[in-house]
Amino acid sequence: DAGVTQSPTHLIKTRGQQVTLRCSPKSGHDTVSWYQQALGQGPQFIFQYYEEEERQRGNFPDRFSGHQFPNYSSELNVNALLLGDSALYLCASSVGGTGAYQPQHFGDGTRLSIL
Amino acid sequence: AQKVTQAQTEISVVEKEDVTLDCVYETRDTTYYLFWYKQPPSGELVFLIRRNSFDEQNEISGRYSWNFQKSTSSFNFTITASQVVDSAVYFCALTSAGSRDDKIIFGKGTRLHILP
Repeated sequence: DAGVTQSPTHLIKTRGQQVTLRCSPKSGHDTVSWYQQALGQGPQFIFQYYEEEERQRGNFPDRFSGHQFPNYSSELNVNALLLGDSALYLCASSVGGTGAYQPQHFGDGTRLSIL
Repeated sequence: AQKVTQAQTEISVVEKEDVTLDCVYETRDTTYYLFWYKQPPSGELVFLIRRNSFDEQNEISGRYSWNFQKSTSSFNFTITASQVVDSAVYFCALTSAGSRDDKIIFGKGTRLHILP
């Protein structure tokens, strides 16, 4: 039973560039959430996708956008990268778009470094 | 506003000792959920437990136990007879209940080192 898979594992970009991160949810899950985790901090909620729509959003600027595909996989796009975007980006999946109170299954994350 | 405080940034104990990780939360909601997640060096967060605000029963799962006290807004986590494999960062988290607009708030985590 495949868990949540994220790609790539590591990524290095420069300021001003754009990046796309990818996530495949756990088998049987249809809801994907994205989190940003800065070094030494807890994860911060970016947004959640369910039925190919953004259902909830945290306090992140419009530079952060996403997409969910019919197979439930998801992408996180970040434009005009800033040094402060350097972080571990975690994808989590759950079932039914039922909100943050459901336990979530997390991937190993993508480590994004901005030079 | 909701807030989760994990005052212990880092803890080191020798294997087989018991250790308690503290979590204090703030919320104005009467219905909410609390979580503990474990983050090993590999990076993924592993769900350990969820507790809703109406269930103050303590829970035990093997060497893990949780103490939820609404009177002190605390949800503490105890590992009994710790093992090296317990070394990880542990996060406490809070969310309101039942609404699709609810978001989860994580604490800053406690890094636990179990020394052999």
